[in-house]
Amino acid sequence: GDSVTQMEGPVTLSEEAFLTINCTYTATGYPSLFWYVQYPGEGLQLLLKATKADDKGSNKGFEATYRKETTSFHLEKGSVQVSDSAVYFCALKPGANSKLTFGKGITLSVRP
Amino acid sequence: EAGVTQFPSHSVIEKGQTVTLRCDPISGHDNLYWYRRVMGKEIKFLLHFVKESKQDESGMPNNRFLAERTGGTYSTLKVQPAELEDSGVYFCASSQSGPDTQYFGPGTRLTVL
Repeated sequence: GDSVTQMEGPVTLSEEAFLTINCTYTATGYPSLFWYVQYPGEGLQLLLKATKADDKGSNKGFEATYRKETTSFHLEKGSVQVSDSAVYFCALKPGANSKLTFGKGITLSVRP
Repeated sequence: EAGVTQFPSHSVIEKGQTVTLRCDPISGHDNLYWYRRVMGKEIKFLLHFVKESKQDESGMPNNRFLAERTGGTYSTLKVQPAELEDSGVYFCASSQSGPDTQYFGPGTRLTVL
């Protein structure tokens, strides 16, 4: 079945550091890929998405590119801020109106 | 426009008791999903409603869980009787039929003692 694997956490970075969070997936067909974020005390929010190979999703300075050849969707940000401290989830969806399959999530802490 | 709301935000019950969680989706969203995250693990799918019909309930763990969506509006998820392993955060999400990005509620944290 479908699955999503995220790098192990937690991750602690200093402000303005470069961030990469790895995500790889296993799925049949051509799923849509997502990054969701959960800030402390809040619900899940969609951060960005990509629906086909080579698409790049971007939002709030974060980017991720849908790489079909490596089945990856790594999340990057050039300069993290303290306000980026949150739990980040990679997810896939195989088709329209279908369930999301999530990775385990990774906690990012950014110190001033 | 109001987002997805869930009630209660927290619930602490004893093993063997019954708990009912409620989800109000975004108005006009036909699709409603329930997910659960057990401590430190993946967020896992429970079931999917399209309007009032169960489209996919393959993730429901056992028959102690009962979900309903009367009238195709809000949904309830009842756990009866609750067991220790049911503890976790229960998320609800909704989406439109066309642009089907799923919007999540804040979750209900359930603790079974």
